[in-house]
Amino acid sequence: AQTVTQSQPEMSVQEAETVTLSCTYDTSESDYYLFWYKQPPSRQMILVIRQEAYKQQNATENRFSVNFQKAAKSFSLKISDSQLGDAAMYFCAFGGSQGNLIFGKGTKLSVKP
Amino acid sequence: EPEVTQTPSHQVTQMGQEVILRCVPISNHLYFYWYRQILGQKVEFLVSFYNNEISEKSEIFDDQFSVERPDGSNFTLKIRSTKLEDSAMYFCASSFGLSSYNSPLHFGNGTRLTVT
Repeated sequence: AQTVTQSQPEMSVQEAETVTLSCTYDTSESDYYLFWYKQPPSRQMILVIRQEAYKQQNATENRFSVNFQKAAKSFSLKISDSQLGDAAMYFCAFGGSQGNLIFGKGTKLSVKP
Repeated sequence: EPEVTQTPSHQVTQMGQEVILRCVPISNHLYFYWYRQILGQKVEFLVSFYNNEISEKSEIFDDQFSVERPDGSNFTLKIRSTKLEDSAMYFCASSFGLSSYNSPLHFGNGTRLTVT
């Protein structure tokens, strides 16, 4: 069975600074997808970024980028130039052959002005 | 942009009562899902639905739960006899295809269920 681990329950970053959120996973599948979702206080689930396992190039979406290390089964999220609106829960998720997603427990990110 | 819509946004019910949570997936999507998030915890997969039948379900999805697509547009989650521990945010999601990357999941805004 797949598992997703986020070892940082809470993180804090100064506005305009950079922060990295950690995620590790375990799977026996060779082809899969990884995601980061943002959940603001409204509790909506917003897709931030996604990565396909067979692609070696790290995905980037504006200020958000990932460091995907397939051998280490690591998938960290880097947020550059942090903004107050980035404050939220961030969930790492694994998508395998079944199509449903397996989520980590989340990291609560606070952004200090 | 098309959205997944869920109603109601908040449902309060007494223990032992039946509740039906409703979802309207994106119209051309073929795969439908329910997820649950107990307050302060991670989002958990409940069930996936395709071609009018359950394709996968988790251990959480026991006999108290059922899903239905009654009219080709709505996708419902029924809890027959609610328990206190069913209190959670329930998210509906849909996708066009099975691949979670090429056909990413679109989540609704959730229904907050409170069982008293």
